[in-house]
Amino acid sequence: AQSVSQHNHHVILSEAASLELGCNYSYGGTVNLFWYVQYPGQHLQLLLKYFSGDPLVKGIKGFEAEFIKSKFSFNLRKPSVQWSDTAEYFCAAHNAGNMLTFGGGTRLMVKP
Amino acid sequence: DAGITQSPRHKVTETGTPVTLRCHQTENHRYMYWYRQDPGHGLRLIHYSYGVKDTDKGEVSDGYSVSRSKTEDFLLTLESATSSQTSVYFCAISDEWGVGYGYTFGSGTRLTVV
Repeated sequence: AQSVSQHNHHVILSEAASLELGCNYSYGGTVNLFWYVQYPGQHLQLLLKYFSGDPLVKGIKGFEAEFIKSKFSFNLRKPSVQWSDTAEYFCAAHNAGNMLTFGGGTRLMVKP
Repeated sequence: DAGITQSPRHKVTETGTPVTLRCHQTENHRYMYWYRQDPGHGLRLIHYSYGVKDTDKGEVSDGYSVSRSKTEDFLLTLESATSSQTSVYFCAISDEWGVGYGYTFGSGTRLTVV
């Protein structure tokens, strides 16, 4: 069965620090990958998505993610975080004929 | 989010009582989903629907049933609520299948079973 793993459950950073959140998926075939963000008290919103082509994907709010097929990874990055980036981040994977499967989430706290 | 609403937003219920959560969409999307969100587990799929009266089980369907009598409404019922069903429930919609264009989520229902 398809699975998605996020190894960092909680991350605390100071403003202006760089961010990298890990995501690994288990499915070996063609897969679409997503990062969602959930701000406190809100629903999930799409940050970025990868379907094919350039493995470096740029999303909203300065986030980007890199798809590395050989490592089954889709890590999320941001060069300089802000206090407003405090949220929970979810990686998700979807392959043809299957469900959107989520990782366990990473809670990011950015200290001002 | 615009186009998808969940009701109620919060509910406290007693163990053993039936509970129905409602998801309503105005996007005319074919696919609708119910997820539960629990710390450390991310979102797990409970049930989904691929059309009116067409539903199927997800990863954690035990203790839940769903119905979809109209395109716009997808109901999730806990037949006899248990404390393990205390969670935040999210409805999602999508207009593509098997390609993964991403889902649009509702604002969630926080359910507490006491």
